Amino acid sequence: QLVESGGGLVRPGGSLRLSCVGSGFTFSHDYMHWIRQTPGKGLEWISYISPTSNYIQYAESLKGRFTISREDVKDSLYLDMDNLRVEDTGVYYCASSGWYVTAFDLWGQGTVVTVSS
Amino acid sequence: EVVLTQSPDFQSAAPQEKVTITCRASQNIGTTLHWYQQKPDQSPNLLIKYATEPLSGVPSRFSGSGSGTDFTLTINNLEAEDAATYYCHQSKSLTFGQGTRLEIK
Repeated sequence: QLVESGGGLVRPGGSLRLSCVGSGFTFSHDYMHWIRQTPGKGLEWISYISPTSNYIQYAESLKGRFTISREDVKDSLYLDMDNLRVEDTGVYYCASSGWYVTAFDLWGQGTVVTVSS
Repeated sequence: EVVLTQSPDFQSAAPQEKVTITCRASQNIGTTLHWYQQKPDQSPNLLIKYATEPLSGVPSRFSGSGSGTDFTLTINNLEAEDAATYYCHQSKSLTFGQGTRLEIK
C-alpha cells in the first residue's frame, strides 16, 4: 500500500512537502508518480521518478515549482511544492506504475492541500 | 500533449442495463489507454489496462475495447456498486479524460 502525508492549509506563495511511504511491494523497483485531483482540472499527473532516480519528468505547467524525489532506504517518495497558488488546492495522490511508465496500478489514499489566504 | 475526451459526462442507468463510455484521443496512442473507477471519497482504482486487459479481480461485466484514437468501456448487467466516476488515461503523455459520472437508478 501507499500512504501519503504532509497536506494541509498553506498561504498563497508558501511551500509544502508531501511524503508517501510504500509497503508490501519492492518500492525501489517501481516508477513512482504524484497525481493530483483539483476542482478545476480533475485528475492531473504531476511528475514521475524512475527507480534509482535516473529519470524524472514533470508536467510542463508545473515545472519549476514542484520537485519530486525518493529515498528508497525508507521506501519513501516526496514532493516539494513551492510558490503555491490557490489553483493548486486539491487532493494529492502518490501512485506506482511498476517497472515502466504505464498504468497506475497502486494508489495512496491521498492527502489534501488547501492554498488559501 | 494527447487530449482525451470522454462522453458522456454523466449517465444514469438502471440495474441490469448495459452502459458504454467512450474515450477519444487527439492522436494515435495505440493501446496505451487505461480505465479507472473512482467511488466517492476513494482514490481511483485501475480496472482495465492497455485498452482491453482487465485487472485480476475485476468483475467480468467490465470490458474494454479500441485502439488508435477511439476506445470504449462497457459495463454489462449493471449493479448498484458500479455507481462511480470512470476515467480514461493514456500513458504516452500521462493525461486523463475529464471523467464520466455513472448513476444507478
